Amino acid sequence: EAQVTQNPRYLITVTGKKLTVTCSQNMNHEYMSWYRQDPGLGLRQIYYSMNVEVTDKGDVPEGYKVSRKEKRNFPLILESPSPNQTSLYFCASRAYTGSPLHFGNGTRLTVT
Amino acid sequence: DQQVKQNSPSLSVQEGRISILNCDYTNSMFDYFLWYKKYPAEGPTFLISISSIKDKNEDGRFTVFLNKSAKHLSLHIVPSQPGDSAVYFCATPGGATNKLIFGTGTLLAVQP
Repeated sequence: EAQVTQNPRYLITVTGKKLTVTCSQNMNHEYMSWYRQDPGLGLRQIYYSMNVEVTDKGDVPEGYKVSRKEKRNFPLILESPSPNQTSLYFCASRAYTGSPLHFGNGTRLTVT
Repeated sequence: DQQVKQNSPSLSVQEGRISILNCDYTNSMFDYFLWYKKYPAEGPTFLISISSIKDKNEDGRFTVFLNKSAKHLSLHIVPSQPGDSAVYFCATPGGATNKLIFGTGTLLAVQP
């Protein structure tokens, strides 16, 4: 089954403790991206990757890092999480420019 | 500043009636729009799209209308079913190739 898989689904952590949210897709998509969803703000792009080893900032990249060492994986790294990064995070991929995004089921992160 | 606006946070409709979800955008250069549907604990899934060369696109019970002069689009669901209860997001690439700009979403509740 074609899918985007994120782990973990739920995560509660404390300020400053480094964490990684993994994302993997099995559709051989070149493009992958991370979004966060917040009440009243919709989904906003954090980082995206057009291909292996090619990543770039989205609209809200502060406090996040990403890497793209393999086509299928695109982890989101929070080196020093803060409470304002409490949010619902989605990883997405697409086949080509203009095709719809395929989203993972989300990771709900709480930073206390 | 929201470039894509969904001014109704929620909408309640009786089963069998029409649901109309609205979306406004700020930039007349935007030329492609998508609607996504999101159930709780799942990621958004693509529903229907429209290009600015058209003013209407239909897929089964779902029809999207685009009014370019008003910078407005709407999603019509006829007839509405309880399984349509979800959050609906409108989105546009906004001329970029690397992201989607999302509205804030409208929660649709279809009452049996």
